[in-house]
Amino acid sequence: GEDVEQSLFLSVREGDSSVINCTYTDSSSTYLYWYKQEPGAGLQLLTYIFSNMDMKQDQRLTVLLNKKDKHLSLRIADTQTGDSAIYFCAEGGGNKLTFGTGTQLKVEL
Amino acid sequence: DVKVTQSSRYLVKRTGEKVFLECVQDMDHENMFWYRQDPGLGLRLIYFSYDVKMKEKGDIPEGYSVSREKKERFSLILESASTNQTSMYLCASRIGGANEKLFFGSGTQLSVL
Repeated sequence: GEDVEQSLFLSVREGDSSVINCTYTDSSSTYLYWYKQEPGAGLQLLTYIFSNMDMKQDQRLTVLLNKKDKHLSLRIADTQTGDSAIYFCAEGGGNKLTFGTGTQLKVEL
Repeated sequence: DVKVTQSSRYLVKRTGEKVFLECVQDMDHENMFWYRQDPGLGLRLIYFSYDVKMKEKGDIPEGYSVSREKKERFSLILESASTNQTSMYLCASRIGGANEKLFFGSGTQLSVL
């Protein structure tokens, strides 16, 4: 079946850029997503990219997609303490999304 | 804003009990989902429903069942709770359209003793 992998932890200093990486196996995915989970809350959609795009920028967020390597990344510019959360990559189409294991981002002062 | 409400934030149950987790959404969404979230495993899909009285198994349906009698409500049932079902349970509903955005509830942390 589909598999989505992420590293479990990332620590950055406030003001630096964060890059969260994700690899997936299902090359037929229509969309790839990034969700954010703050402590004690459900997941919220941050951004998504259509599978025929290479890059998408949305304010401080940049998503890069390398379809050949099945690699997705999320770059957060000027990382703030409010960005501390778990970030999930997800891929899918139709009714089902497959989520990664989540990356815990810790922002240090 | 869309609201997905899960009835309990924390639940503690005993092994063998029948457990009901309730989820209600207020935006007339067709599709609703139940996931469980475990550290290091991410989110795994248990069941989903694409219409009233319709349901489909996800990746880990064993030990669970669901009920969707009304469009706004999707219930997850543990017929006989076991300790390995201790987890965070997340309900989600889906807006139609090209971006397939999922709206999540805030989760129910279930502990089975």
